[in-house]
Amino acid sequence: KAGVTQTPRYLIKTRGQQVTLSCSPISGHRSVSWYQQTPGQGLQFLFEYFSETQRNKGNFPGRFSGRQFSNSRSEMNVSTLELGDSALYLCASSSPPRTGEHSPLHFGNGTRLTVT
Amino acid sequence: KNEVEQSPQNLTAQEGEFITINCSYSVGISALHWLQQHPGGGIVSLFMLSSGKKKHGRLIATINIQEKHSSLHITASHPRDSAVYICAVRRGRGATNKLIFGTGTLLAVQP
Repeated sequence: KAGVTQTPRYLIKTRGQQVTLSCSPISGHRSVSWYQQTPGQGLQFLFEYFSETQRNKGNFPGRFSGRQFSNSRSEMNVSTLELGDSALYLCASSSPPRTGEHSPLHFGNGTRLTVT
Repeated sequence: KNEVEQSPQNLTAQEGEFITINCSYSVGISALHWLQQHPGGGIVSLFMLSSGKKKHGRLIATINIQEKHSSLHITASHPRDSAVYICAVRRGRGATNKLIFGTGTLLAVQP
């Protein structure tokens, strides 16, 4: 089975621009979650989607948004980029077997975003 | 105070040593994850626990729900175990609740 694929791997943007990152989960996985990792704040949860519905959202401003498509692929968008948005953005997929149950997370290699 | 605390923050060991990394949390949780991150960014999920103990190869993870504490043990450590180890908890009772991460433990195993 192919792993979680994130594109692009690296991205350089300018302040004020917007960016869209993509995540393709493992085949059959319907849950996709996004995380931001910075040296100062560590790993922080952004949002989680299941069957095209956002199930949970972290404490990030509205400039951060996401969506999930019917094939479970997910995108996240950051508008009006700020220098502080420079980070490694990771997505993970999982396959919760039943409501209320947990399953391991499978992470992609991340997209490293640099805002100048 | 962070809701998830890890100790130590940095750990240097000699090859072959037994290693323990600790994770304490202050909230009710439904599951705890141990993650491994190598330089370059990729994260691998090592364990997911809601009670008891799990073992995979040289790695052992335990959790004590009453004491709100988990440990990750590495037996017969090897230089390839050098990585950042991160504890993350699923807050609350729901499987859909968000993950909260510890700050990680940087492990260096010297040959």
